Parts: sequence; structure tokens; C-alpha cells
Amino acid sequence: EAGVVQSPRYKIIEKKQPVAFWCNPISGHNTLYWYLQNLGQGPELLIRYENEEAVDDSQLPKDRFSAERLKGVDSTLKIQPAELGDSAVYLCASSSGDRVVGEQFFGPGTRLTVL
Amino acid sequence: AQSVAQPEDQVNVAEGNPLTVKCTYSVSGNPYLFWYVQYPNRGLQFLLKYITGDNLVKGSYGFEAEFNKSQTSFHLKKPSALVSDSALYFCAVAGGYNKLIFGAGTRLAVHP
Repeated sequence: EAGVVQSPRYKIIEKKQPVAFWCNPISGHNTLYWYLQNLGQGPELLIRYENEEAVDDSQLPKDRFSAERLKGVDSTLKIQPAELGDSAVYLCASSSGDRVVGEQFFGPGTRLTVL
Repeated sequence: AQSVAQPEDQVNVAEGNPLTVKCTYSVSGNPYLFWYVQYPNRGLQFLLKYITGDNLVKGSYGFEAEFNKSQTSFHLKKPSALVSDSALYFCAVAGGYNKLIFGAGTRLAVHP
């Protein structure tokens, strides 16, 4: 079974530029998560999708961040414009969603550096 | 609000010795608790979880965790550490339906 795929693995941009991250979850997983992981900290949830619907985006900074999961499969997270403080690892995870709290499967992450 | 705390930034242990990585939690209601491991340049991997039942939970790679309700703890343990166990370990608590709240992580260093 293929795992969660993320691309790119690394991205370096200058501040005020836009950037996008892509995630393809494990086949059949209807729940998809985007997390932010700052250096030396645990992952923090940005947004959670159940199929196409964003059911928890309370931690997503909506002035500059946006996300979509149009067909309920893969997803894109965008930052426009990027700021220096956005430098972090962006993790995507998925789960089957058939339990109250099930195991989440994580991708390798995208390490973003904003100069 | 649900939260977990990992009081140690780093744990050092010699290969072959037992290891413990500590986690305490704060929840309202019954806790659902998890441990994940993160190797360099890789995503988090699930190790084990406590939902209900036996206080000693067994997981992947020989790890186990002990749930202690009176001490609100969920410490990760392994009887004999391997150098390959060196990684970043995260404790997490369920903060609602399909929502995990992670601790800051503990770096485990196993020395030959």
C-alpha cells in the first residue's frame, strides 16, 4: 500500500512570493489533514477535510492560507504571500475515518524556507 | 482544553538499557492517547494508542506504554533500547473527533 505522498519535499522562496504544496492521501482514506510543524515543536492542525468538506479550519490563517480538496482525494495548500515566519515543515496526513479517533498516516512533509 | 506535556526535551540511554519517555495529559472525560515516532526526513509513524482496556498497551518495534489515570500519565517504554530507536517521539491526545493534539516532542538518543 502506497503511503501519503507530498510534493515538493523542499521549497525555498523569497518573502511575499506565493507557494503551494500538494498531497495525495492513502487510497480510500476520506479524512485528510494539513499540519504545521515548527522546529522543535509538535505538529499543529491547520485544516481537516472529510471528503471534500473542510470540517475544521479554525487554525488556518485565512488571510494568507488557503486549501482545497476538490474531488475528495488529493489536496493543495497555498500560502500567498509567504512571510518569514511561515518557514516550517508542512505535513499532510490521512485516515480512514471509520473510528472516533483512528490512526493517522503522515507523509514526509514539505520543508519550506522563506528568505 | 485537551493537552499533553512532554517534560523532557531529550532522553539519553545506552544501548541495551531500558528506556522511558514521559508524557502527562490533561483532558476532560476519558482520554484517547497516542505515541508517534519521527525519523529524520520522514513523516510521523504511529506506534501505539490507548482507548480503553488494559493499562499496558503494546505497540510497534517492541514499544509499550503504561496508562496511569491517577498520575494522568502515559509513558512510553521499551525494555532494551536499540541505536536505531534514536528519533523524535511525540505523545498526542485526542482533542475531538479525528483531531490530535501533539506534545512538543522528546528526542531519544541511544548510544552504543
